Amino acid sequence: QVQLVQSGAEVKKPGSSVKVSCKASGVTFSSYAFSWVRQAPGQGLEWMGGIIPIFGTTNYAQKFQGRVSITADESTSTAYVELRSLRSEDTAVYYCARQKSVGGPFDYWGQGTLVTVSS
Amino acid sequence: EIVLTQSPGTLSLSPGERATLSCRASQSVSSNHLVWYQQKPGQAPRLLIYGASSRATGIPDRFSGSGSGTDFTLTISRLEPEDFAVYYCQQYGSSQYTFGQGTKLEIK
Repeated sequence: QVQLVQSGAEVKKPGSSVKVSCKASGVTFSSYAFSWVRQAPGQGLEWMGGIIPIFGTTNYAQKFQGRVSITADESTSTAYVELRSLRSEDTAVYYCARQKSVGGPFDYWGQGTLVTVSS
Repeated sequence: EIVLTQSPGTLSLSPGERATLSCRASQSVSSNHLVWYQQKPGQAPRLLIYGASSRATGIPDRFSGSGSGTDFTLTISRLEPEDFAVYYCQQYGSSQYTFGQGTKLEIK
């Protein structure tokens, strides 16, 4: 069955960077697109951006342009999100999610990774 | 960017009752790209409805979606105890995804 397994919780200082991974199994990695969605404590869902691994093409939410990078390693079926210049407002659970196509629904989700930004 | 506004913010109902959740878009959304998710505390969201009205795999038929243009609705015909959760709508347009702010469905 399809599983998206994310890396563990992180604690970061303001101004630093964080990189979260999402390893896919039970799925032909290159046949799908993957997005990253975050959720601040007690808040709603926020799309950050996505990638189509087979093409290496990325698309980012305007809010995160210039501060986020989404990459994928087809050899390990792993997608990554890196967020730079962290501030306290970036404290959130970060989720990866699979899409069958660009614009399609997120049908499988990772378990989430808590990133805490604190001095 | 298309803004999705969900109403009500909180809906208090009893098991067995019918729930109607609304999602209104700031401009027209392709029905193909309107989606509903359910999220329970401490869990990732779960896909319920895609293409505005198609149920995802394994979703009970008490869940239904409808609407077009700027107004969309998620209906739960008879609430079960496990349906009390937060529901989000989502759209895709102009290469951007946006979510509504969520509707919390709580037990009355």
